[in-house]
Amino acid sequence: RKEVEQDPGPFNVPEGATVAFNCTYSNSASQSFFWYRQDCRKEPKLLMSVYSSGNEDGRFTAQLNRASQYISLLIRDSKLSDSATYLCAVNHPQNDYKLSFGAGTTVTVRA
Amino acid sequence: GAVVSQHPSWVICKSGTSVKIECRSLDFQATTMFWYRQFPKQSLMLMATSNEGSKATYEQGVEKDKFLINHASLTLSTLTVTSAHPEDSSFYICSARDYQGLTGGDEQFFGPGTRLTVL
Repeated sequence: RKEVEQDPGPFNVPEGATVAFNCTYSNSASQSFFWYRQDCRKEPKLLMSVYSSGNEDGRFTAQLNRASQYISLLIRDSKLSDSATYLCAVNHPQNDYKLSFGAGTTVTVRA
Repeated sequence: GAVVSQHPSWVICKSGTSVKIECRSLDFQATTMFWYRQFPKQSLMLMATSNEGSKATYEQGVEKDKFLINHASLTLSTLTVTSAHPEDSSFYICSARDYQGLTGGDEQFFGPGTRLTVL
């Protein structure tokens, strides 16, 4: 089993829609969770950190479910500019702060 | 804040040559930097962890003699791809961890990446 798994998508949604997707992790000792956004041929950019039960930043909401070992990302009122690949990343203290990345979820917002 | 630069942004070289890539944290100190490689349509694969003043820690399957890492200061790590071959063509990205917590947590911030093409 991979350490971090994501639904690859693609999620094709119209502008203004809400889209949500999950990321599961296998190591129950994981403590820090992150969502990164990566555009084609660019580096990942930090979208949101999740240290407790969840985090909200504008149209983006991340939630952490430790019991079921997954984090979710919800995007409200989707914009064309939200089209990207969203990477989930997990780290844990025993791993020297290394991040384990999921393969990414592709979101395409259409006009 | 939390800006990481990487140089060069792209490089094309002949097979057998060596290529050096620099990663700098511009506005924070990074005792730990990470080097990743990403092939098209695949996720980031961690190659090695670079610690300031000590030897890098390589992931399983990554040849340390081929991918030389030097982390000489708190703001600079370099990756040298020695005797590059076409199969080394990839997108190489570094990240830096803000150990002082200026950003409030242990996030990693990525450089813009270096696209290497070996002919």
